[in-house]
Amino acid sequence: GNSVTQMEGPVTLSEEAFLTINCTYTATGYPSLFWYVQYPGEGLQLLLKATKADDKGSNKGFEATYRKETTSFHLEKGSVQVSDSAVYFCALHYGNNRLAFGKGNQVVVIP
Amino acid sequence: DVKVTQSSRYLVKRTGEKVFLECVQDMDHENMFWYRQDPGLGLRLIYFSYDVKMKEKGDIPEGYSVSREKKERFSLILESASTNQTSMYLCASSSRDQARYEQYFGPGTRLTVT
Repeated sequence: GNSVTQMEGPVTLSEEAFLTINCTYTATGYPSLFWYVQYPGEGLQLLLKATKADDKGSNKGFEATYRKETTSFHLEKGSVQVSDSAVYFCALHYGNNRLAFGKGNQVVVIP
Repeated sequence: DVKVTQSSRYLVKRTGEKVFLECVQDMDHENMFWYRQDPGLGLRLIYFSYDVKMKEKGDIPEGYSVSREKKERFSLILESASTNQTSMYLCASSSRDQARYEQYFGPGTRLTVT
């Protein structure tokens, strides 16, 4: 079936550190891939997306590249800020406009 | 600015009560969704609707029903609330247009069933 796997556990890091959150997927065909972000007390917001292999999505300093050969869509940011503290969800689009979400990663950035 | 609104941010209900969660979108989207979000489980799809009066079960529909009488409004109904339905409920909407299929989310309703 269609599913997304994110690395286990919260991520805690210092301000200006490099952030990577791993995401791998299982799907038929070549689905579009997304990263959503959820700030405290809010709903999810689309952070970035990629619709085909080798596409790179980017927004707010975050980047993710659609890697067909490794079925991955890892999220990276070169220098995080305290304001990046949030929960990050990887998702893939399938079927009748459905999204399959990963379990999410809590990111805590310490000043 | 696109908007999905949910009727309540916080709700406390008793076991056995009938509960209505309302969602309204102003983007003229065809698709609307209800998810529940639980720690360690991520988002799970309860139901979605692809048109007025049309609905499809998601991954965890048991104990829930939905209603879509108007395009902009999608209601989630807990016929007889139970404590295991204590959760965060998120509504979302999206266009049927394949070029614009990202989902837009409301702020969520945190439901506690006692």
